[in-house]
Amino acid sequence: RKEVEQDPGPFNVPEGATVAFNCTYSNSASQSFFWYRQDCRKEPKLLMSVYSSGNEDGRFTAQLNRASQYISLLIRDSKLSDSATYLCVVTSGTYKYIFGTGTRLKVLA
Amino acid sequence: DAMVIQNPRYQVTQFGKPVTLSCSQTLNHNVMYWYQQKSSQAPKLLFHYYDKDFNNEADTPDNFQSRRPNTSFCFLDIRSPGLGDAAMYLCATSIGSNQPQHFGDGTRLSIL
Repeated sequence: RKEVEQDPGPFNVPEGATVAFNCTYSNSASQSFFWYRQDCRKEPKLLMSVYSSGNEDGRFTAQLNRASQYISLLIRDSKLSDSATYLCVVTSGTYKYIFGTGTRLKVLA
Repeated sequence: DAMVIQNPRYQVTQFGKPVTLSCSQTLNHNVMYWYQQKSSQAPKLLFHYYDKDFNNEADTPDNFQSRRPNTSFCFLDIRSPGLGDAAMYLCATSIGSNQPQHFGDGTRLSIL
């Protein structure tokens, strides 16, 4: 079993739709969780950290479920510019960041 | 703006010809990382520095070396690049463990 697993997609959604991605992780001792956005042939950019209480940044909401060992990302009112690959990152030990392979999102006009 | 800068953005080298990629940061972060990312794959950690302490991942080939002469700069040396080393190389920094990482633009390496 991979340490971090994501549905690769692609998720094709119309503009204005709400879309959610999940990411599961295997190490119950993982301490920190992040969502990154990566555009084609570009570097990953931090979208948000994920906290136990859940957190929201504009149209983006992240949740952490430690009991079931998954994190989620919800995007409301999708824009064309949200089209990208969304990477789930989980820390596992000191200075060890485990990346998922990413979920591709295409927002269609 | 504080940032992580990688040079060059694109690098072409010949099979077996040594190449050096550079990374600098103005964030004053203690930790610097080098990742290799191939198409449609997750970034793969090669090594990291906490300050001057170097930590090599167990599966990083001996062909890959790194130097961190000071807090701001870190270099990735590929001694004898093979065709399989063609990839995007990403430098990242963090203030500490379990903290968000900040990535440079990456260097896309091609091998002829």
